[in-house]
Amino acid sequence: RKEVEQDPGPFNVPEGATVAFNCTYSNSASQSFFWYRQDCRKEPKLLMSVYSSGNEDGRFTAQLNRASQYISLLIRDSKLSDSATYLCVMHNQAGTALIFGKGTTLSVSS
Amino acid sequence: EADIYQTPRYLVIGTGKKITLECSQTMGHDKMYWYQQDPGMELHLIHYSYGVNSTEKGDLSSESTVSRIRTEHFPLTLESARPSHTSQYLCASRLAGITGELFFGEGSRLTVL
Repeated sequence: RKEVEQDPGPFNVPEGATVAFNCTYSNSASQSFFWYRQDCRKEPKLLMSVYSSGNEDGRFTAQLNRASQYISLLIRDSKLSDSATYLCVMHNQAGTALIFGKGTTLSVSS
Repeated sequence: EADIYQTPRYLVIGTGKKITLECSQTMGHDKMYWYQQDPGMELHLIHYSYGVNSTEKGDLSSESTVSRIRTEHFPLTLESARPSHTSQYLCASRLAGITGELFFGEGSRLTVL
């Protein structure tokens, strides 16, 4: 099983839609979880950290389910500018570095 | 904005040449990383460093080498470039601790002919 797995999509949604991504992981000891956003041919940038209690930032909600070993990202009221690849990130098995999922591609259309 | 810089942004070079990709950050971060990413594919960790004189290989085997003589500088070297090395190389850094945000440079896109 890969350390981090994401549904690659693409998710094609209309403006205003609500979309959710999941990311499963195998390292039960991982302490830190993040969602990053990567635009085409650009570097990844932090979207939000994922806390045990779940957290919200505007239209974005992140949740962590340790029992089932997955994190999720919910985007409400999708905008055209949300079109990007969303990467889930966490510590690797050795706890030495951050590793990235393959990413889920979101395309929002008008 | 992140204060982490990579040069060159783009490099096209012939097989067998030695290349060095530069990465510098002015945020005083101890931890620095090199990731490799092919178009449309995931990022793979190839090297990381926890501080001066500390370097480790990442999860993906790479023929490149790195050095960390100064906190702010983490160059990556390929002694003899091959077409299989064609890729984008992303440098990143963060503070120590488990919650520090990872900041990326804009990347170096390498093409080996």
